[in-house]
Amino acid sequence: GAGVSQSPRYKVAKRGQDVALRCDPISGHVSLFWYQQALGQGPEFLTYFQNEAQLDKSGLPSDRFFAERPEGSVSTLKIQRTQQEDSAVYLCASSQGLRGVNTEAFFGQGTRLTVV
Amino acid sequence: AQRVTQPEKLLSVFKGAPVELKCNYSYSGSPELFWYVQYSRQRLQLLLRHISRESIKGFTADLNKGETSFHLKKPFAQEEDSAMYYCALQGAQKLVFGQGTRLTINP
Repeated sequence: GAGVSQSPRYKVAKRGQDVALRCDPISGHVSLFWYQQALGQGPEFLTYFQNEAQLDKSGLPSDRFFAERPEGSVSTLKIQRTQQEDSAVYLCASSQGLRGVNTEAFFGQGTRLTVV
Repeated sequence: AQRVTQPEKLLSVFKGAPVELKCNYSYSGSPELFWYVQYSRQRLQLLLRHISRESIKGFTADLNKGETSFHLKKPFAQEEDSAMYYCALQGAQKLVFGQGTRLTINP
Protein backbone atom coordinates (compact mmCIF):
# COMPACT_ATOMS: atom_id res chain seq x y z
CA GLY A 1 0.00 0.00 0.00
CA ALA A 2 0.84 3.67 0.11
CA GLY A 3 1.90 3.60 3.73
CA VAL A 4 0.30 3.51 7.13
CA SER A 5 -3.29 4.62 6.90
CA GLN A 6 -5.39 5.90 9.79
CA SER A 7 -9.09 6.63 9.92
CA PRO A 8 -10.87 8.80 10.58
CA ARG A 9 -8.53 11.74 10.13
CA TYR A 10 -10.66 13.87 12.43
CA LYS A 11 -13.12 12.87 15.11
CA VAL A 12 -15.25 15.05 17.34
CA ALA A 13 -16.80 13.21 20.25
CA LYS A 14 -19.10 14.36 22.99
CA ARG A 15 -17.80 13.73 26.48
CA GLY A 16 -18.81 10.26 27.56
CA GLN A 17 -19.02 8.88 24.04
CA ASP A 18 -17.03 5.82 22.95
CA VAL A 19 -14.69 6.12 19.94
CA ALA A 20 -12.77 3.67 17.78
CA LEU A 21 -9.68 4.66 15.81
CA ARG A 22 -8.40 2.45 13.04
CA CYS A 23 -4.87 1.82 11.79
CA ASP A 24 -3.92 -0.04 8.61
CA PRO A 25 -0.19 -0.73 8.84
CA ILE A 26 2.10 -1.45 5.92
CA SER A 27 1.50 -5.01 4.76
CA GLY A 28 3.85 -7.51 6.36
CA HIS A 29 5.01 -5.23 9.14
CA VAL A 30 5.45 -7.13 12.36
CA SER A 31 5.51 -4.27 14.85
CA LEU A 32 2.71 -1.79 15.43
CA PHE A 33 2.75 1.13 17.84
CA TRP A 34 0.11 3.57 19.07
CA TYR A 35 1.06 7.00 20.34
CA GLN A 36 -0.82 9.94 21.81
CA GLN A 37 0.43 13.40 20.92
CA ALA A 38 -0.97 16.33 22.83
CA LEU A 39 -0.61 19.82 21.41
CA GLY A 40 3.00 20.99 21.59
CA GLN A 41 4.26 17.68 22.95
CA GLY A 42 6.16 14.73 21.57
CA PRO A 43 4.45 11.43 20.82
CA GLU A 44 3.75 9.53 24.04
CA PHE A 45 3.87 5.75 23.82
CA LEU A 46 0.58 3.99 24.43
CA THR A 47 0.95 0.37 23.36
CA TYR A 48 2.93 -2.02 21.17
CA PHE A 49 1.98 -5.12 19.19
CA GLN A 50 4.21 -7.76 17.73
CA ASN A 51 1.93 -9.39 15.19
CA GLU A 52 -1.30 -10.05 17.12
CA ALA A 53 0.32 -10.10 20.54
CA GLN A 54 0.08 -6.97 22.64
CA LEU A 55 3.47 -7.05 24.31
CA ASP A 56 3.43 -3.70 26.04
CA LYS A 57 0.45 -1.64 27.12
CA SER A 58 2.21 0.26 29.84
CA GLY A 59 1.43 3.62 28.24
CA LEU A 60 -2.34 3.30 28.17
CA PRO A 61 -3.48 6.08 30.53
CA SER A 62 -6.50 4.31 31.99
CA ASP A 63 -8.68 1.26 31.65
CA ARG A 64 -10.88 3.31 29.32
CA PHE A 65 -8.25 2.75 26.64
CA PHE A 66 -8.16 -0.57 24.83
CA ALA A 67 -6.27 -1.68 21.73
CA GLU A 68 -6.43 -4.81 19.65
CA ARG A 69 -4.84 -6.32 16.56
CA PRO A 70 -6.65 -9.64 16.27
CA GLU A 71 -5.16 -10.89 13.00
CA GLY A 72 -1.81 -9.25 13.22
CA SER A 73 -2.57 -6.55 10.67
CA VAL A 74 -5.26 -3.89 11.21
CA SER A 75 -5.39 -2.42 14.70
CA THR A 76 -8.10 -0.54 16.54
CA LEU A 77 -7.66 1.79 19.48
CA LYS A 78 -10.86 2.18 21.45
CA ILE A 79 -11.51 4.84 24.03
CA GLN A 80 -14.55 4.43 26.23
CA ARG A 81 -16.40 7.26 27.96
CA THR A 82 -14.17 9.91 26.42
CA GLN A 83 -13.00 12.82 28.55
CA GLN A 84 -11.72 16.23 27.51
CA GLU A 85 -8.18 15.27 28.46
CA ASP A 86 -8.31 12.57 25.77
CA SER A 87 -8.24 15.28 23.10
CA ALA A 88 -5.03 14.73 21.14
CA VAL A 89 -3.64 13.38 17.90
CA TYR A 90 -3.41 9.60 17.97
CA LEU A 91 -0.57 8.26 15.86
CA CYS A 92 -0.07 4.76 14.60
CA ALA A 93 3.27 3.46 13.35
CA SER A 94 4.48 0.16 11.97
CA SER A 95 7.88 -1.36 11.34
CA GLN A 96 9.06 -4.40 9.47
CA GLY A 97 11.31 -5.90 12.09
CA LEU A 98 12.19 -5.89 15.72
CA ARG A 99 15.72 -4.56 15.89
CA GLY A 100 18.47 -3.55 13.53
CA VAL A 101 18.09 -2.16 10.06
CA ASN A 102 14.41 -2.99 9.73
CA THR A 103 13.25 -1.04 12.73
CA GLU A 104 12.40 2.18 10.90
CA ALA A 105 8.93 3.14 12.08
CA PHE A 106 6.55 4.43 9.41
CA PHE A 107 3.88 6.72 10.72
CA GLY A 108 0.34 7.39 9.70
CA GLN A 109 -1.01 10.91 9.45
CA GLY A 110 -2.83 10.51 12.72
CA THR A 111 -6.37 10.91 13.96
CA ARG A 112 -7.14 14.21 15.64
CA LEU A 113 -9.63 13.55 18.42
CA THR A 114 -11.47 16.46 19.96
CA VAL A 115 -13.71 15.78 22.92
CA VAL A 116 -16.32 18.47 23.55
CA ALA B 1 13.31 3.00 32.39
CA GLN B 2 13.58 4.40 28.90
CA ARG B 3 13.70 8.17 28.68
CA VAL B 4 14.68 10.69 26.03
CA THR B 5 15.35 14.32 26.86
CA GLN B 6 15.51 17.15 24.36
CA PRO B 7 16.33 20.22 26.45
CA GLU B 8 15.45 22.83 23.83
CA LYS B 9 11.82 23.23 22.79
CA LEU B 10 12.72 25.98 20.34
CA LEU B 11 15.90 26.66 18.39
CA SER B 12 16.36 29.48 15.92
CA VAL B 13 19.45 29.98 13.77
CA PHE B 14 20.33 31.91 10.65
CA LYS B 15 20.72 30.31 7.26
CA GLY B 16 24.27 29.10 6.79
CA ALA B 17 24.98 28.84 10.52
CA PRO B 18 25.77 25.55 12.23
CA VAL B 19 22.97 23.68 13.95
CA GLU B 20 23.06 21.32 16.92
CA LEU B 21 19.94 19.77 18.39
CA LYS B 22 20.62 18.10 21.71
CA CYS B 23 19.36 14.71 22.80
CA ASN B 24 20.17 12.76 25.93
CA TYR B 25 18.82 9.36 26.77
CA SER B 26 18.46 6.98 29.67
CA TYR B 27 18.46 3.25 29.06
CA SER B 28 20.23 0.44 30.84
CA GLY B 29 20.74 -1.81 27.83
CA SER B 30 22.08 -1.25 24.35
CA PRO B 31 19.73 1.22 22.67
CA GLU B 32 19.02 2.04 19.10
CA LEU B 33 18.76 5.79 18.58
CA PHE B 34 16.92 7.66 15.88
CA TRP B 35 16.10 11.17 14.77
CA TYR B 36 12.66 11.73 13.29
CA VAL B 37 11.52 14.90 11.55
CA GLN B 38 8.11 16.38 10.90
CA TYR B 39 7.89 19.05 8.23
CA SER B 40 4.88 21.34 8.13
CA ARG B 41 1.70 19.44 7.25
CA GLN B 42 3.56 16.17 6.75
CA ARG B 43 3.71 12.98 8.73
CA LEU B 44 6.52 12.07 11.05
CA GLN B 45 9.39 10.43 9.17
CA LEU B 46 12.78 8.95 9.89
CA LEU B 47 15.74 11.26 9.34
CA LEU B 48 18.58 9.02 10.44
CA ARG B 49 19.54 6.20 12.79
CA HIS B 50 22.76 5.67 14.66
CA ILE B 51 23.48 2.16 13.39
CA SER B 52 23.64 3.38 9.81
CA ARG B 53 26.22 6.06 10.58
CA GLU B 54 24.96 7.95 7.56
CA SER B 55 24.49 11.57 6.67
CA ILE B 56 21.04 12.57 5.52
CA LYS B 57 20.35 16.05 4.13
CA GLY B 58 23.69 17.09 5.60
CA PHE B 59 22.72 16.00 9.11
CA THR B 60 24.83 13.66 11.21
CA ALA B 61 24.46 12.28 14.72
CA ASP B 62 26.98 10.41 16.80
CA LEU B 63 26.03 8.12 19.64
CA ASN B 64 28.11 8.92 22.72
CA LYS B 65 27.49 6.15 25.22
CA GLY B 66 29.66 7.78 27.86
CA GLU B 67 27.58 10.94 27.85
CA THR B 68 24.38 9.09 26.84
CA SER B 69 23.86 11.60 24.08
CA PHE B 70 22.85 11.53 20.43
CA HIS B 71 23.04 15.14 19.29
CA LEU B 72 22.02 16.05 15.74
CA LYS B 73 24.34 18.35 13.84
CA LYS B 74 24.53 20.15 10.53
CA PRO B 75 27.37 22.51 9.61
CA PHE B 76 25.35 24.89 7.43
CA ALA B 77 21.63 25.27 8.02
CA GLN B 78 19.21 25.72 5.13
CA GLU B 79 15.74 27.24 5.20
CA GLU B 80 14.15 23.92 4.27
CA ASP B 81 15.50 22.44 7.52
CA SER B 82 12.81 24.29 9.46
CA ALA B 83 10.72 21.55 11.11
CA MET B 84 10.03 19.66 14.34
CA TYR B 85 12.78 17.23 15.26
CA TYR B 86 12.29 14.30 17.61
CA CYS B 87 14.95 12.11 19.09
CA ALA B 88 13.80 8.53 19.75
CA LEU B 89 15.14 5.47 21.50
CA GLN B 90 14.23 1.86 20.87
CA GLY B 91 15.03 -0.55 23.64
CA ALA B 92 13.91 -4.14 23.65
CA GLN B 93 10.56 -3.31 22.14
CA LYS B 94 8.96 0.06 22.32
CA LEU B 95 10.05 3.27 20.63
CA VAL B 96 10.17 6.23 23.01
CA PHE B 97 10.31 9.85 21.85
CA GLY B 98 11.61 13.05 23.31
CA GLN B 99 9.46 16.17 23.53
CA GLY B 100 10.82 17.56 20.30
CA THR B 101 12.69 20.68 19.21
CA ARG B 102 11.17 23.15 16.80
CA LEU B 103 13.98 24.34 14.55
CA THR B 104 13.50 27.61 12.69
CA ILE B 105 16.01 28.74 10.09
CA ASN B 106 15.94 32.48 9.53
CA PRO B 107 16.86 33.84 6.10
